[in-house]
Amino acid sequence: AQSVTQLDSHVSVSEGTPVLLRCNYSSSYSPSLFWYVQHPNKGLQLLLKYTSAATLVKGINGFEAEFKKSETSFHLTKPSAHMSDAAEYFCVGYRGGATNKLIFGTGTLLAVQP
Amino acid sequence: DAGVTQSPTHLIKTRGQHVTLRCSPISGHKSVSWYQQVLGQGPQFIFQYYEKEERGRGNFPDRFSARQFPNYSSELNVNALLLGDSALYLCASRLSPSSYNEQFFGPGTRLTVL
Repeated sequence: AQSVTQLDSHVSVSEGTPVLLRCNYSSSYSPSLFWYVQHPNKGLQLLLKYTSAATLVKGINGFEAEFKKSETSFHLTKPSAHMSDAAEYFCVGYRGGATNKLIFGTGTLLAVQP
Repeated sequence: DAGVTQSPTHLIKTRGQHVTLRCSPISGHKSVSWYQQVLGQGPQFIFQYYEKEERGRGNFPDRFSARQFPNYSSELNVNALLLGDSALYLCASRLSPSSYNEQFFGPGTRLTVL
């Protein structure tokens, strides 16, 4: 079975400083992993996805994530936070087969201070 | 191109009533999934439909049902509403159920049960 755990429910950074949102996964096989962002009153938007092609995945808006099998981690990073990055971020796994569904983490609320 | 659309945007019902939520996928997408997002939590998978057939079902009671029409739009029905059904209901569409197909989410329907 595949599951994801987001290690921080809230993260606060200052504008212009790096962002690190942590996610660990549990899977007995090579996983498919995603990061989604949800701005208030807006739908979920895909930031990036890992599907075993490359361990460092670049996404939109300057975000990237590195798949580390040895640490079972898929942390999301950005070198410099912008005010518009304030939102809720979800680490997401995929379970195929009979259920065929996305498995969302509990979310990390990112606050960006001026 | 239009994204995933959902209607209505907001809905208020009382306990015991039933509700129908509607979703129109992106043109060309044949797979639709439904998720429930309770306040403060990540979305939980309810159903997936592909080519008008159910392809996955989450851990929800039989009060929840769905269907997909020949034009690939979908309805989610919930009977005998409970207070705990209050949530944001999200619809997502993609080309097919493959994990490599990005899921595009609609803005959601906010259901309040009083």
